[in-house]
Amino acid sequence: NAGVMQNPRHLVRRRGQEARLRCSPMKGHSHVYWYRQLPEEGLKFMVYLQKENIIDESGMPKERFSAEFPKEGPSILRIQQVVRGDSAAYFCASSPRADTEAFFGQGTRLTVV
Amino acid sequence: AQTVTQSQPEMSVQEAETVTLSCTYDTSESDYYLFWYKQPPSRQMILVIRQEAYKQQNATENRFSVNFQKAAKSFSLKISDSQLGDAAMYFCAYRSAPGGGSNYKLTFGKGTLLTVNP
Repeated sequence: NAGVMQNPRHLVRRRGQEARLRCSPMKGHSHVYWYRQLPEEGLKFMVYLQKENIIDESGMPKERFSAEFPKEGPSILRIQQVVRGDSAAYFCASSPRADTEAFFGQGTRLTVV
Repeated sequence: AQTVTQSQPEMSVQEAETVTLSCTYDTSESDYYLFWYKQPPSRQMILVIRQEAYKQQNATENRFSVNFQKAAKSFSLKISDSQLGDAAMYFCAYRSAPGGGSNYKLTFGKGTLLTVNP
């Protein structure tokens, strides 16, 4: 059973471009969580999704950020018009239920130049 | 809202010796989970140990054990017989118990960077 897969591992974008980060949860997991890790910081919750539904997006910046978890395919975290402050590691985690252990992927390191 | 504080940005230990990493938290909930995660240079977040707040017995996993002081809201991690592979960033994290608000959400501290000296 493969773990949580995130791609790409590293992503470089110029200011103003769009960044798309992908997360394939573990088999059998229908709950996905995105966290952001800024330099010198711990991970901070961004959004919680179930298939086709956003359950909690309280940690998402109000503008430029969006997330989806379609019926088929991976979850996508999309950042439009990236700025230097978006440079961070973005982690995805998945779980079979909301109240069970979540397993993390290896993260995507986004660098905005 | 819950907060997690790790007051030691960096720690070092000699190989084969014991080190303790500190963590305090703030919450008004009575039931919750506490975790220690390890993040090596690969960036993978690895669960080291977890503690349920309703359990008085401290959790242990091989060379890793915790000292959970509920009244003091303290949750320290002890690593015995330290190995070079233990070198990593360690994060303390909090999660509400089932039935609690936002019980899917982990709240992390800022981390402690552990160096193991040969």
